[in-house]
Amino acid sequence: SQQGEEDPQALSIQEGENATMNCSYKTSINNLQWYRQNSGRGLVHLILIRSNEREKHSGRLRVTLDTSKKSSSLLITASRAADTASYFCATDVGRRALTFGSGTRLQVQP
Amino acid sequence: DGGITQSPKYLFRKEGQNVTLSCEQNLNHDAMYWYRQDPGQGLRLIYYSQIVNDFQKGDIAEGYSVSREKKESFPLTVTSAQKNPTAFYLCASSPGQGFAYEQYFGPGTRLTVT
Repeated sequence: SQQGEEDPQALSIQEGENATMNCSYKTSINNLQWYRQNSGRGLVHLILIRSNEREKHSGRLRVTLDTSKKSSSLLITASRAADTASYFCATDVGRRALTFGSGTRLQVQP
Repeated sequence: DGGITQSPKYLFRKEGQNVTLSCEQNLNHDAMYWYRQDPGQGLRLIYYSQIVNDFQKGDIAEGYSVSREKKESFPLTVTSAQKNPTAFYLCASSPGQGFAYEQYFGPGTRLTVT
């Protein structure tokens, strides 16, 4: 099974609202990353949060990490139609490569 | 422009034929990766390479082969042994080992085998 699993699988909100996506993982990690994928395109890196960090911000994005609960959340504030995409968390699981979850499909209605 | 290129964007092949997907990067990154993505799913790691002339199997390497003869190139061959090759293939690179760095992705190649 996937190391990181996003929740919910799909989310539909109105423009201007906040969107929250969650990621749970099973084993210890060195860091956790979030990526965005527009339909039919490659992934774009959003944020990397290390295991000793609890919160990180980048523009309208806020990521939290709770290693005791093995979970992370991605908050997008004041969403825009252009935020419509799939969002993936990725963890390292002590390997040399990343393991991606199945993603949350976000739809922002104008 | 720096980045990763994948070609072609769409590829159609008959069953039983081998096909090679191209991936080139001019970011001077040491590590490169190949992922497979099926509709509505996440990415699954096929192969990765940390350095020239070295590569490692990922989670779903069966039916695929790679080479890393040059730092900037990491082609993926989908062989006839791959039972269900139709998918979206993504190539990525990173400055060093994958877990410590962000990965930069190419635009992908959509392969359809009939």
